[in-house]
Amino acid sequence: TAGITQAPTSQILAAGRSMTLRCTQDMRHNAMYWYRQDLGLGLRLIHYSNTAGTTGKGEVPDGYSVSRANTDDFPLTLASAVPSQTSVYFCASRPSIEAFFGQGTRLTVV
Amino acid sequence: KNQVEQSPQSLIILEGKNCTLQCNYTVSPFSNLRWYKQDTGRGPVSLTIMTFSENTKSNGRYTATLDADTKQSSLHITASQLSDSASYICVAYNQAGTALIFGKGTTLSVSS
Repeated sequence: TAGITQAPTSQILAAGRSMTLRCTQDMRHNAMYWYRQDLGLGLRLIHYSNTAGTTGKGEVPDGYSVSRANTDDFPLTLASAVPSQTSVYFCASRPSIEAFFGQGTRLTVV
Repeated sequence: KNQVEQSPQSLIILEGKNCTLQCNYTVSPFSNLRWYKQDTGRGPVSLTIMTFSENTKSNGRYTATLDADTKQSSLHITASQLSDSASYICVAYNQAGTALIFGKGTTLSVSS
């Protein structure tokens, strides 16, 4: 079973460049989320989507955008990366209570 | 303000020993609480969920407790193994299920 797939696994990105982190789930969950995880800060919500066609801002949305064209895909875009966006990014989905996480994307902005 | 606090921040124990991780939450209205295990370089995976009416729930060597009056939960690990080395994250859900409030996690290191 695939569950949630994130790509790429890791990336080094030059500051000022744009990048899209991909997230795909095959569980037909309505709700999807993007988190960033930083040492000492835990998981922080960037953006979420309760259902296809809708998105919302989380705790730390600045510098990020998302789209939800269909149920399965929830890409996260950095329009112009900055070093403070160096982090590990996790995509998650949930049908009701339990959240299922992807394996993460480690992004380094230099 | 909805908040989840975990303690200790980190813990080192010897293989075979028991340990208890703590989680205090201020989420209102509260629905349920879930413990996740996150291995290094991996995404979090659910261990157990505690609903408002449950006091204790076990999953193998893991036992979670919930005191809804004091708004505290604990995760007890019995006879620890090297594979228990991970970060343990407490997550509280609001009643509508729309908000997941994450703690910062406790990093457990089990040594031989």
